Amino acid sequence: AQSVTQLGSHVSVSEGALVLLRCNYSSSVPPYLFWYVQYPNQGLQLLLKYTSAATLVKGINGFEAEFKKSETSFHLTKPSAHMSDAAEYFCAVMDNYGQNFVFGPGTRLSVLP
Amino acid sequence: EPEVTQTPSHQVTQMGQEVILRCVPISNHLYFYWYRQILGQKVEFLVSFYNNEISEKSEIFDDQFSVERPDGSNFTLKIRSTKLEDSAMYFCASSGGTSGAYNEQFFGPGTRLTVL
Repeated sequence: AQSVTQLGSHVSVSEGALVLLRCNYSSSVPPYLFWYVQYPNQGLQLLLKYTSAATLVKGINGFEAEFKKSETSFHLTKPSAHMSDAAEYFCAVMDNYGQNFVFGPGTRLSVLP
Repeated sequence: EPEVTQTPSHQVTQMGQEVILRCVPISNHLYFYWYRQILGQKVEFLVSFYNNEISEKSEIFDDQFSVERPDGSNFTLKIRSTKLEDSAMYFCASSGGTSGAYNEQFFGPGTRLTVL
């Protein structure tokens, strides 16, 4: 069975600082990996996805993530945080047999002025 | 840009009542899904639907739940007799193509269900 862990339920950074949100997965087969963002009282918006092409994936709003098979990780980064980045971020994994996602528990990002 | 829509945005109901949550997936998509998110918790898979039948469901999706695609555009989730613990945000999603397992799922804005 697949699973996703996200280290840190709440991360705070200063505006302009590096954002690093951690995601580790377990999957018995090569996974497809996703990061979604959820702004307050809104739905889920796809930030980026890894589907076995380039290991470094660039997404919207300046975010990127790197797939590291040896570390079973897919951490999300952004060089410089903006106030508008404050939201809940979910990592998700999907194997190539199923159609449903398994979501991680989420990390709430706060950006301090 | 096409998007998944859900109605209502907020549904309040009494315990024991039936509710129907509605979704309009993206028009050329073939796979449909329901997820729920209890307040402060992670998003949980409920059910996937393809070719007019359930293709996969989780343990959460018990006999109280059912899904239907009554026409060519709507996809509904029915909860027969709501319980307090059904209070959550319910997300609909759809994905397209002939091999939907490889495609991105597009999520709707969610319906917040409050059971009193």
